[in-house]
Amino acid sequence: NAGVMQNPRHLVRRRGQEARLRCSPMKGHSHVYWYRQLPEEGLKFMVYLQKENIIDESGMPKERFSAEFPKEGPSILRIQQVVRGDSAAYFCASSPAGVPGEKLFFGSGTQLSVL
Amino acid sequence: AQSVTQLDSQVPVFEEAPVELRCNYSSSVSVYLFWYVQYPNQGLQLLLKYLSGSTLVKGINGFEAEFNKSQTSFHLRKPSVHISDTAEYFCAVSDYGGSQGNLIFGKGTKLSVKP
Repeated sequence: NAGVMQNPRHLVRRRGQEARLRCSPMKGHSHVYWYRQLPEEGLKFMVYLQKENIIDESGMPKERFSAEFPKEGPSILRIQQVVRGDSAAYFCASSPAGVPGEKLFFGSGTQLSVL
Repeated sequence: AQSVTQLDSQVPVFEEAPVELRCNYSSSVSVYLFWYVQYPNQGLQLLLKYLSGSTLVKGINGFEAEFNKSQTSFHLRKPSVHISDTAEYFCAVSDYGGSQGNLIFGKGTKLSVKP
């Protein structure tokens, strides 16, 4: 039973390029959450999605960032025109139901480095 | 607004010694409380959680935590640590009415167990 799968594990982009981060939730999980971890900081909530719906995007920057969780396929976090400040570890988590934080399973993260 | 404070950024300790990692939170509403562990290059794993009931919560790997409402604390303890406990530990809070999965994390405490 595979856990939450994130890829790529490491992603290097130059300023101005686009970054696409993928997350496949655990089997049977229909709720996906994205978090960002800056150096020396805790994880910060970005967005919460269910299949084909954004439920809470209160932690998403207003510009350049978007997320989707289509009916088929993984959840995608997309960052357009990346800047150095976007360099961070991005973690995805999934849960079987929307119980507050009770059964969140985290992936190993994508380390984004912007040159 | 909720917040989580982990008072120690780094805690060095010798093997088989007891350890306490401190966590304080602020919230105007009732909360759920969590401790997660992050081993190098891995995602977060849930150690234990407090949802309701007994204020002393036992988790995996011999860890336990006590919810103290009057002191708004949720300190993590282990009576005897192993080398394998070396990792970063995050305290997190979620309120009952908040966005499901929108956890507020502390900045983390790096536990370093020395032989």
